[in-house]
Amino acid sequence: AQKVTQAQTEISVVEKEDVTLDCVYETRDTTYYLFWYKQPPSGELVFLIRRNSFDEQNEISGRYSWNFQKSTSSFNFTITASQVVDSAVYFCALSEENTGNQFYFGTGTSLTVIP
Amino acid sequence: GAGVSQTPSNKVTEKGKYVELRCDPISGHTALYWYRQSLGQGPEFLIYFQGTGAADDSGLPNDRFFAVRPEGSVSTLKIQRTERGDSAVYLCASSPTGSINSPLHFGNGTRLTVT
Repeated sequence: AQKVTQAQTEISVVEKEDVTLDCVYETRDTTYYLFWYKQPPSGELVFLIRRNSFDEQNEISGRYSWNFQKSTSSFNFTITASQVVDSAVYFCALSEENTGNQFYFGTGTSLTVIP
Repeated sequence: GAGVSQTPSNKVTEKGKYVELRCDPISGHTALYWYRQSLGQGPEFLIYFQGTGAADDSGLPNDRFFAVRPEGSVSTLKIQRTERGDSAVYLCASSPTGSINSPLHFGNGTRLTVT
């Protein structure tokens, strides 16, 4: 079974629109971490944020914000006032205490911001 | 400082040939990971090193795949008798400790094409 599901394969928005990327995860561990990575056309995966399973506080960093809800096993990522430079593939990932070294990645959401 | 370096960036080989892919992690990072990313998919775990030893090789698809990290720094992923299905981007990542809360730092990957 897929441990991390990103149901949105591709999203297109017009510049300055807000966009939310969905991530649903599955785990039986009580201790786990969730991550978001950005993969621009250049190919290198860039770490954006980490969240642990005991901290459900939402986080904001500039135009980026993350909503972690354990009740729905979701860790969604919102970009406010999107810019062309936000165009990339975004991956959600999970690491668990019991399988520590295997980070599980979703299939990614390709975001295109149209100028 | 220098990030994770992977060479070559592109490799084209004929079916049945042997290939070696190299990864130079961030200096001081004890944990090193190999992932494989097929088109339109997220990275899939192959193998994890802690120091010189392969702590988890459960993701290697078959015995044609092998990886080493003899001095606890540079790693080489080796693929014997390559098949067309091995075509993918092979990603290397490192982290300071390998703990589940430690984000992975990725290289740009090696795009392997088997003809």
